[in-house]
Amino acid sequence: QKEVEQDPGPLSVPEGAIVSLNCTYSNSAFQYFMWYRQYSRKGPELLMYTYSSGNKEDGRFTAQVDKSSKYISLFIRDSQPSDSATYLCAMEAENTDKLIFGTGTRLQVFP
Amino acid sequence: DTGVSQNPRHKITKRGQNVTFRCDPISEHNRLYWYRQTLGQGPEFLTYFQNEAQLEKSRLLSDRFSAERPKGSFSTLEIQRTEQGDSAMYLCASSLVGPSGGSGELFFGEGSRLTVL
Repeated sequence: QKEVEQDPGPLSVPEGAIVSLNCTYSNSAFQYFMWYRQYSRKGPELLMYTYSSGNKEDGRFTAQVDKSSKYISLFIRDSQPSDSATYLCAMEAENTDKLIFGTGTRLQVFP
Repeated sequence: DTGVSQNPRHKITKRGQNVTFRCDPISEHNRLYWYRQTLGQGPEFLTYFQNEAQLEKSRLLSDRFSAERPKGSFSTLEIQRTEQGDSAMYLCASSLVGPSGGSGELFFGEGSRLTVL
């Protein structure tokens, strides 16, 4: 079993839809939770960064962490075609200095 | 600030040849990471440097792989006697971290794609 599980998709939604992306994990030591966006043939770029449990909002993006369920989510409101990309969740345990990534979910937003 | 730069962007080589990739991090960043990404997978950690010191290497990094970061600036990743299974995107990332540790916010380059024939 992988430490971080993520549905690879693809997830196809119409423009304006609310998108929900999720990851589950098995390592209870994870404390830092991130979402990266990766466009085709580009490197990942950081979208959201959360420490421990709770919610964080930034514009159209909301990240949620539920440590009791070992489950994290990223919500995208009013999705746009420019949001079409692969979304990677990533996690890090205290004192490990390295990120563990999920496989990524490919999102397609059509006009 | 030009971001993290990686060269070459794409390398095609024959099995058994050696290849070297270069990464130029963001200038003030003290951490430099190498990750490998294959099609349909997320990046997998290979190794990282704090300034010029290589602090950790993944078990994925066989003896054919070596990474250096002389003087704590740019880094090179060399793969000797390449195999078809080495075909992947090699991603470099850098970050600025303080005494509390952690990876910090990783800034990734666009990657170097290796194709081994």
